[in-house]
Amino acid sequence: DTAVSQTPKYLVTQMGNDKSIKCEQNLGHDTMYWYKQDSKKFLKIMFSYNNKELIINETVPNRFSPKSPDKAHLNLHINSLELGDSAVYFCASTPYGAGGPNEQFFGPGTRLTVL
Amino acid sequence: GQQLNQSPQSMFIQEGEDVSMNCTSSSIFNTWLWYKQDPGEGPVLLIALYKAGELTSNGRLTAQFGITRKDSFLNISASIPSDVGIYFCAGYSGGSNYKLTFGKGTLLTVNP
Repeated sequence: DTAVSQTPKYLVTQMGNDKSIKCEQNLGHDTMYWYKQDSKKFLKIMFSYNNKELIINETVPNRFSPKSPDKAHLNLHINSLELGDSAVYFCASTPYGAGGPNEQFFGPGTRLTVL
Repeated sequence: GQQLNQSPQSMFIQEGEDVSMNCTSSSIFNTWLWYKQDPGEGPVLLIALYKAGELTSNGRLTAQFGITRKDSFLNISASIPSDVGIYFCAGYSGGSNYKLTFGKGTLLTVNP
C-alpha cells in the first residue's frame, strides 16, 4: 500500500544515454512534483503538474522532460545524460492546489549515477 | 525570492539529550512543515503548522509556528539513536503559489 512509489530505486548509466524514471501515487492527489537532491542534500524543485497540466518548470536543462499521462503518474525522461545529472531524484505529491497548505508526500527516491 | 535559513547545519549529541533547530525566513509563510529524511529514503512529514503561534507535538517532537510568521523551531526531547537523519523545514506562502521553500537541512547524529 505504498503511497508514492518510484521506479527504479537505483539507475546506473553511461554519459549520453537516455533514461526514464517513473512515479505513481495512489493517494488521489491532484498535484505532483519532481525534485533533485544533490550531494549537499539540498532539495531543488524541477517540475510540478496539477491534474496533468504543467504548472512549475524551473530552470532545468531541456534534456529533462516530464510527462503526466494521468494525475496519478508523473514520469521524468532525461536525454543525453551528463555527469552532473548524478543525484537523487524525488517525486512528491500533495492533495492541494494553489493556496492550500501544500503538505507534500515524498517517494523513496531514485539514485541516478552517470558514469 | 524567498530564502530559508536553517540552523544548525549539523549537530552531534548524546542519546538522551534534547535537541533544538530552527528556520528563519526573509518573508512570511502561511504554513510551516518539518520533514525527516533517513539515509537512502525520501523525506517524511513529521509536523505541519498552519497558524502563527501554533505549538504542535508529535511524540517527543514539538514544533512552533513563530508569531511573526517568519520563523519556526523543532525540538526533540530525550533523543534516541533512531532520531539520526536530516531534518528539513519547509515553508509555504500560499496564494497562487504551488511551491514549498526548503531549508538546507540539519544533520543530526546521536551517539548511543
